[in-house]
Amino acid sequence: AQSVTQPDIHITVSEGASLELRCNYSYGATPYLFWYVQSPGQGLQLLLKYFSGDTLVQGIKGFEAEFKRSQSSFNLRKPSVHWSDAAEYFCAVLNYGGSQGNLIFGKGTKLSVKP
Amino acid sequence: DSGVTQTPKHLITATGQRVTLRCSPRSGDLSVYWYQQSLDQGLQFLIQYYNGEERAKGNILERFSAQQFPDLHSELNLSSLELGDSALYFCASSTGGRTEAFFGQGTRLTVV
Repeated sequence: AQSVTQPDIHITVSEGASLELRCNYSYGATPYLFWYVQSPGQGLQLLLKYFSGDTLVQGIKGFEAEFKRSQSSFNLRKPSVHWSDAAEYFCAVLNYGGSQGNLIFGKGTKLSVKP
Repeated sequence: DSGVTQTPKHLITATGQRVTLRCSPRSGDLSVYWYQQSLDQGLQFLIQYYNGEERAKGNILERFSAQQFPDLHSELNLSSLELGDSALYFCASSTGGRTEAFFGQGTRLTVV
């Protein structure tokens, strides 16, 4: 069965420091992968997605993610974190045969940013 | 603003009751998806409708049902509510197929 694991429930980084959020997936074929962000009281906003091609994907707000098939990973990175990045981040995989809204989500990683 | 509108934003109701959550998709979007976000289960896909017809079903309880109307808005009906149904319910919409889905801000349901 398809699944997504985000090993870190909560991460705290200092403002200006680099960030890496981990995501591992289990999927039988080539996965379609997504990162979403949820700010408090808000809905989910798509940061970036990977379907095929270049394994390094650029997204909005300065985020990028790298697809590594050998490690079944799709980690999210940002070189310099801003206080406004504090939010919860969700990795997701497209449900097999489904359309883009039919997603399997990880449990999320809550990011806190220290001044 | 994603363009997806969910009403109401908050709902408090008693156990055993029935509620209806409403979702208006972005203009032009034919697909609507419903998700439940709870502390213990996380974000779970419930059901998808495409142009009025059920397209995919996830972990949706039999007490829950949904429909999509000719004007493409959708309603999620939750009945015989239990304390464990307290959650944030999200709606998302897309044009369908492999296009990006946009999420609404959710309806927070509290069952007391």
